[in-house]
Amino acid sequence: GQQLNQSPQSMFIQEGEDVSMNCTSSSIFNTWLWYKQDPGEGPVLLIALYKAGELTSNGRLTAQFGITRKDSFLNISASIPSDVGIYFCAGPQSGGSNYKLTFGKGTLLTVNP
Amino acid sequence: DGGITQSPKYLFRKEGQNVTLSCEQNLNHDAMYWYRQDPGQGLRLIYYSQIVNDFQKGDIAEGYSVSREKKESFPLTVTSAQKNPTAFYLCASKVGGELGYTFGSGTRLTVV
Repeated sequence: GQQLNQSPQSMFIQEGEDVSMNCTSSSIFNTWLWYKQDPGEGPVLLIALYKAGELTSNGRLTAQFGITRKDSFLNISASIPSDVGIYFCAGPQSGGSNYKLTFGKGTLLTVNP
Repeated sequence: DGGITQSPKYLFRKEGQNVTLSCEQNLNHDAMYWYRQDPGQGLRLIYYSQIVNDFQKGDIAEGYSVSREKKESFPLTVTSAQKNPTAFYLCASKVGGELGYTFGSGTRLTVV
């Protein structure tokens, strides 16, 4: 099946630093979704991307839909302690159905105050 | 407020016992999903249901069972056939035609 590869697997940064993470696939995706999971909670949708080349922001978060449609990037500017969590990329599985999402394994972000 | 509720938050069971995890949503969403999360493994799909009285196996359905008798409810039973049931279980739902899921807050199951 389709796989999404996220990198890095984990990051340890100081408060105030900017963060970049990415998600790649061997197959084309028509939509990219970015979720954040706080410790012990369910993931929450941060940003949805629907068009190749699209750049979308949500506060300090900016995500881009890669031109090749095989990758996506998430940037967090001026990190704060509450940015701690696991960030997942996701996209609809192939086969014409929009009912199932494929998730990456996540990037674990730790922010040192 | 609309949302998706999983209960209980923490669950302990003895090995060999079946256990049922609850998932209820009042969002009027058509589709519901169960995912399993293990450290470093991401989210793996167990079962999903697009409409009432219909459901399909996901990628790791062995040892699990579900039912969808009502639109609002999608309980997951972890049977004794599941060889490694200790994990964090997430339920999700979505509106037909949209892509983003709404997740519950999860149930952490520990089998001893």
